[in-house]
Amino acid sequence: EPEVTQTPSHQVTQMGQEVILRCVPISNHLYFYWYRQILGQKVEFLVSFYNNEISEKSEIFDDQFSVERPDGSNFTLKIRSTKLEDSAMYFCASHGAPPLHFGNGTRLTVT
Amino acid sequence: EDQVTQSPEALRLQEGESSSLNCSYTVSGLRGLFWYRQDPGKGPEFLFTLYSAGEEKEKERLKATLTKKESFLHITAPKPEDSATYLCAVQGAAGANSKLTFGKGITLSVRP
Repeated sequence: EPEVTQTPSHQVTQMGQEVILRCVPISNHLYFYWYRQILGQKVEFLVSFYNNEISEKSEIFDDQFSVERPDGSNFTLKIRSTKLEDSAMYFCASHGAPPLHFGNGTRLTVT
Repeated sequence: EDQVTQSPEALRLQEGESSSLNCSYTVSGLRGLFWYRQDPGKGPEFLFTLYSAGEEKEKERLKATLTKKESFLHITAPKPEDSATYLCAVQGAAGANSKLTFGKGITLSVRP
């Protein structure tokens, strides 16, 4: 069964550094998303992306964050200058028709 | 603003002991209510979508139901492999790709 794949599974970075989280959505899907989950808290929406542009973004998704679909298969989330509070699991998700399919996440640890 | 509240936060059952997980929601026009299962260190895995009050869906030992304010996930004769966190999420009517709003989840432990 097709699945959303994310790399790396775990990323450790120092505060102030830039990180890029990578995702390969399911191949025939057109809608792409990033969500995050801080340990012990809810899964929270960050951003949705369709037709090469952002459709919707949350208050969390400030100027430090950006998304890109650099080619026909990859979807990336960049955090320009990481803060301690960015430590979380970051999930990529995609759909054609509903429902939303999630990857297994990248655990980002900011030290 | 869409809101989802799940209860209880945690539930411990003996194998074979049936129970129900509750999801209360407020949303401005419900496009869909979703149940996901999440295992530790993994992403949410889709279980069910419910679209309108009165709808029911079943899969193995799980049955999801929907009213105008709540959804229930009924677990019949659970097994240890049903142990996981169960997430409820709603999608408002803003559009086909509008965001999901999640609850905190219910952590289910099933003892053999």
